Amino acid sequence: ELKVEQNPLFLSMQEGKNYTIYCNYSTTSDRLYWYRQDPGKSLESLFVLLSNGAVKQEGRLMASLDTKARLSTLHITAAVHDLSATYFCAVDGWDSNYQLIWGAGTKLIIKP
Amino acid sequence: NAGVMQNPRHLVRRRGQEARLRCSPMKGHSHVYWYRQLPEEGLKFMVYLQKENIIDESGMPKERFSAEFPKEGPSILRIQQVVRGDSAAYFCASSPWDLPNSPLHFGNGTRLTVT
Repeated sequence: ELKVEQNPLFLSMQEGKNYTIYCNYSTTSDRLYWYRQDPGKSLESLFVLLSNGAVKQEGRLMASLDTKARLSTLHITAAVHDLSATYFCAVDGWDSNYQLIWGAGTKLIIKP
Repeated sequence: NAGVMQNPRHLVRRRGQEARLRCSPMKGHSHVYWYRQLPEEGLKFMVYLQKENIIDESGMPKERFSAEFPKEGPSILRIQQVVRGDSAAYFCASSPWDLPNSPLHFGNGTRLTVT
């Protein structure tokens, strides 16, 4: 059974600091996704990572994928308050590209 | 281009009543997915539909839950005889048929509360 684990599950940090969220998954998968969710809101797609060594950046967020280690990271550079949200990683199920298996989420609070 | 539209945003039902959740996919998208999210957890896949077809319902509870995506109109997730454990946020997502590597586009969700 494919499992996706994120850590930390909760992170409180100061503006201006850097930090990394980790996403481990248990079996081979072709695609990994990062989503952001604000409280009471929907999920917004941040990144789709499709191959080993893939790195994508958008503003202060950078995501990478190591398929050999079954690990993805979401790095936050010089955090700002607006990045406070819950961040989810999700991986394709083993036999489909729609049965996404989700991590439990990392709740990120950035204090001004 | 309107996104994925879900309604209602909030739904309160008493135990034993029926809940109907609606989802209209993005324009041009013919694939619809339903996910359930419990508080402080990630999403759990429920069902994947195309127009008039259920492709995969392996995540749906065997009883009381059903889903459809008719030729005309929105996709419907129906929960009969709701119980307190059904309280959750239900998200619908859609994708275009020919872009399997594209991310899913999610609606704002329906938050079901069973009293």
